[in-house]
Amino acid sequence: EVQLVQSGAEVKKPGESLKISCKGSGYSFTSYWIGWVRQMPGKGLEWMGIIYPGDSDTRYSPSFQGQVTISADKSISTAYLQWSSLKASDTAMYYCARRGPQAAFDPWGQGTLVTVSS
Amino acid sequence: QPVLTQPTSLSASPGASARFTCTLRSGINVGTYRIYWYQQKPGSLPRYLLRYKSDSDKQQGSGVPSRFSGSKDASTNAGLLLISGLQSEDEADYYCAIWYSSTVVFGGGTKLTVL
Repeated sequence: EVQLVQSGAEVKKPGESLKISCKGSGYSFTSYWIGWVRQMPGKGLEWMGIIYPGDSDTRYSPSFQGQVTISADKSISTAYLQWSSLKASDTAMYYCARRGPQAAFDPWGQGTLVTVSS
Repeated sequence: QPVLTQPTSLSASPGASARFTCTLRSGINVGTYRIYWYQQKPGSLPRYLLRYKSDSDKQQGSGVPSRFSGSKDASTNAGLLLISGLQSEDEADYYCAIWYSSTVVFGGGTKLTVL
C-alpha cells in the first residue's frame, strides 16, 4: 500500500525554525515527485512546491519561493518542509502528497498542524 | 483575476445531481488542460477524485464511485465535476486544480451542502 506518513503537530514561537517530514512507503520513493500543500485555518488548498527525490530537483510556487525550503533524504524515503524563521501567518495544516503517474496528487499524508504563537 | 474560479457554495438534495464548475481565467484555454478534482470532508485530508481532459483522456481515482464524473464546457471555459445520486456523505469541499506554468494551481473550492 502506498502511504505517506507525516510528522506530528508542532507549536512554535515566532522567529523559531522548524522542519517537518513526510515519509513514503510502499513504492519507489525516488521515482515520484512529492508536493507540499498549505491549508490555513478555514481556507482552501495552496500549492507550495514539489521535489523529485531521485535527484532533488525542486520547484516552488512563486508565493512560497524564498519563504520555505523543500528537501528530501532518499536514503530514508523522507521529504521535508522547513522554515528558518516562522511567523504567526505560517499557522496552518501542511500536507504532503505524491504526484502519481497521471500527475494527480494521490495519496496524501495525514497532515501536520503547525501553530506559531507567542 | 485568479487562474481558477469556483463558486463558494452549492446546495442540492439527496438523490439529486450536483454540478461543480471550475472556470479558467480568460486567455487560458480549458481544452488544453487536464482538470483534477479533489474532495475534502470536514476534518479530513484531501482525496483525489478524478481528472478530465477529454472523453479519451480521463481517469477515475482509486475507489471513486462512477457517480462522480468529469466534463468540460468550452462555451464558458470551465471544467465540470458532476455527482449523481447525491448522498449525505458527499457533503464536503471540492477543489479543482491544473498544472499551469510548471506549478499547480488550485481553485478556491466549493462547499457542497446536501440537504
